[in-house]
Amino acid sequence: EAGVAQSPRYKIIEKRQSVAFWCNPISGHATLYWYQQILGQGPKLLIQFQNNGVVDDSQLPKDRFSAERLKGVDSTLKIQPAKLEDSAVYLCASSLDVGWSPLHFGNGTRLTVT
Amino acid sequence: AQTVTQSQPEMSVQEAETVTLSCTYDTSENNYYLFWYKQPPSRQMILVIRQEAYKQQNATENRFSVNFQKAAKSFSLKISDSQLGDTAMYFCAFMKQGGSNYKLTFGKGTLLTVNP
Repeated sequence: EAGVAQSPRYKIIEKRQSVAFWCNPISGHATLYWYQQILGQGPKLLIQFQNNGVVDDSQLPKDRFSAERLKGVDSTLKIQPAKLEDSAVYLCASSLDVGWSPLHFGNGTRLTVT
Repeated sequence: AQTVTQSQPEMSVQEAETVTLSCTYDTSENNYYLFWYKQPPSRQMILVIRQEAYKQQNATENRFSVNFQKAAKSFSLKISDSQLGDTAMYFCAFMKQGGSNYKLTFGKGTLLTVNP
């Protein structure tokens, strides 16, 4: 099966600019996650979708971050305006919505804010 | 809130030898899952092994096994017959069981280097 697809692979922007990341989960996976991984740390959950509804966005900085999952498939994560501390790898993951099932991760987008 | 602690930022091992990575966690939950994920330079997180808290038997996947001590809240990973391809960051992770919020809480990771 095809894996979780993310784009772009790398992005460099200046502070106060905006940026968007795209994720296409594995076909049939109802649950989609965005994680932020700052250098030297483990991934931290930003937002979890179940189909096109939000399950958990408690750690999403809502003043600058937004995410949507149209039609319960693809998802976009946006940052506007970006800050230096947003430099990180942004990982997308998906899983089946049948009890517990493994999370499948994409290769992530490395964001550098200068 | 759950916390996961990995006290070894870096470790190294010779090829074909055995290495153990440590992980401790803190939770008030009784039902949960524990995981070890591997992250090579490609950045993709790969599930190595999973342990259900209600199971007393330690999980094993080929060369990978865990030592799960529920009372001590300890969950270590043993890699036997280490291979060069095992070089990666290893993350311990916790997930509460039940409900619809399958949220993973990760530790800070251990960088494992396998030397030829």
